[in-house]
Amino acid sequence: SQQGEEDPQALSIQEGENATMNCSYKTSINNLQWYRQNSGRGLVHLILIRSNEREKHSGRLRVTLDTSKKSSSLLITASRAADTASYFCATDPMNTGFQKLVFGTGTRLLVSP
Amino acid sequence: ETGVTQSPTHLIKTRGQQVTLRCSSQSGHNTVSWYQQALGQGPQFIFQYYREEENGRGNFPPRFSGLQFPNYSSELNVNALELDDSALYLCASSLGQGFNEQYFGPGTRLTVT
Repeated sequence: SQQGEEDPQALSIQEGENATMNCSYKTSINNLQWYRQNSGRGLVHLILIRSNEREKHSGRLRVTLDTSKKSSSLLITASRAADTASYFCATDPMNTGFQKLVFGTGTRLLVSP
Repeated sequence: ETGVTQSPTHLIKTRGQQVTLRCSSQSGHNTVSWYQQALGQGPQFIFQYYREEENGRGNFPPRFSGLQFPNYSSELNVNALELDDSALYLCASSLGQGFNEQYFGPGTRLTVT
């Protein structure tokens, strides 16, 4: 079953604009990871934020985590056409005894030139 | 590129047949996880292998089975294929049982007719 829910389901913007995607989840977590997927291919790892962290940056990416609200956001600044892809959040739930990722349903991002 | 490879890229099978998918993990990684991604959905966790033993399992029936070899490569076997098994199968490698990033291969697209 899907734990996470991304919002919006789809987002269409112009090059140079910022894109914000949100993720909500249901259970306590060890960490939350964001992935990108191009056209049904493999997932590319973008960033991992641990449960004791609130914000993390990597290049044009900024991720926030609010464990009290069980939510995270991914901000892509100065978007490019090459950022067009589906973006998934994945949580690593606590107390499973092993690491498994529980993915949301994804946000489809379209960046137009 | 993550260094995780999967074979074959595409596969067409008939309902009731059996299939074996293969995954080579990134150098130095000793944990392999398998996921099933149906069209338009996020990936769903099938199981994980750590040092040649099944480490954890998702909500998949026993006809989904796996192996991990001494070089940490892995196989996913599915018996008695059903139409609903049509999906993209992704493997991911990671280091140890800690809460680390998982790096995904490009996937195997399985179609069951």
